[in-house]
Amino acid sequence: NAGVTQTPKFRVLKTGQSMTLLCAQDMNHEYMYWYRQDPGMGLRLIHYSVGEGTTAKGEVPDGYNVSRLKKQNFLLGLESAAPSQTSVYFCASSSLSGGLYNEQFFGPGTRLTVL
Amino acid sequence: SQKIEQNSEALNIQEGKTATLTCNYTNYSPAYLQWYRQDPGRGPVFLLLIRENEKEKRKERLKVTFDTTLKQSLFHITASQPADSATYLCALRGSGTYKYIFGTGTRLKVLA
Repeated sequence: NAGVTQTPKFRVLKTGQSMTLLCAQDMNHEYMYWYRQDPGMGLRLIHYSVGEGTTAKGEVPDGYNVSRLKKQNFLLGLESAAPSQTSVYFCASSSLSGGLYNEQFFGPGTRLTVL
Repeated sequence: SQKIEQNSEALNIQEGKTATLTCNYTNYSPAYLQWYRQDPGRGPVFLLLIRENEKEKRKERLKVTFDTTLKQSLFHITASQPADSATYLCALRGSGTYKYIFGTGTRLKVLA
């Protein structure tokens, strides 16, 4: 049981390049989230998904797109990277249990630098 | 706008003492409040959940209080140990939403 995994762990991009971050969970969770964490800013929600085939915008969605084609995977895309997207990206998942939402399980993070 | 405040300054305490961390919020009525621990270079790990109708929750050496009148949660670690050194994040969620809002976290250092 690997929990939440993220690929890659580190990446350096040049301005204007594109990339996709992959998040996978093996806990059969319904909900998945993408956050970014910057010094002094805490965790900020980029996009989230409440089920396969559904996505929604979070607090800071501009410049990012997501897809949830399979329940266990949640992809975060950067179409044209900008230096302002330099950050640590965390994926998380959670389940619905008994009508109450459980805790979020986080992945190890992806450290992205945009030059 | 919704705002969550945690003490941005690091908290240093002596081993064996009780550490108390604060989470204050404004312009929000959370139904649930969570506390997470985050070690350097790692993702946050869930510690405790408390609901709006609960005043206090305990788990081993951890205790969380939730005062919806003061709009504040306190997180206590009793008999603190150097291994408790980490950043602690609070997160709030309203009813009828899937999204949590996180505070910036407080860095705790327990001195041996």
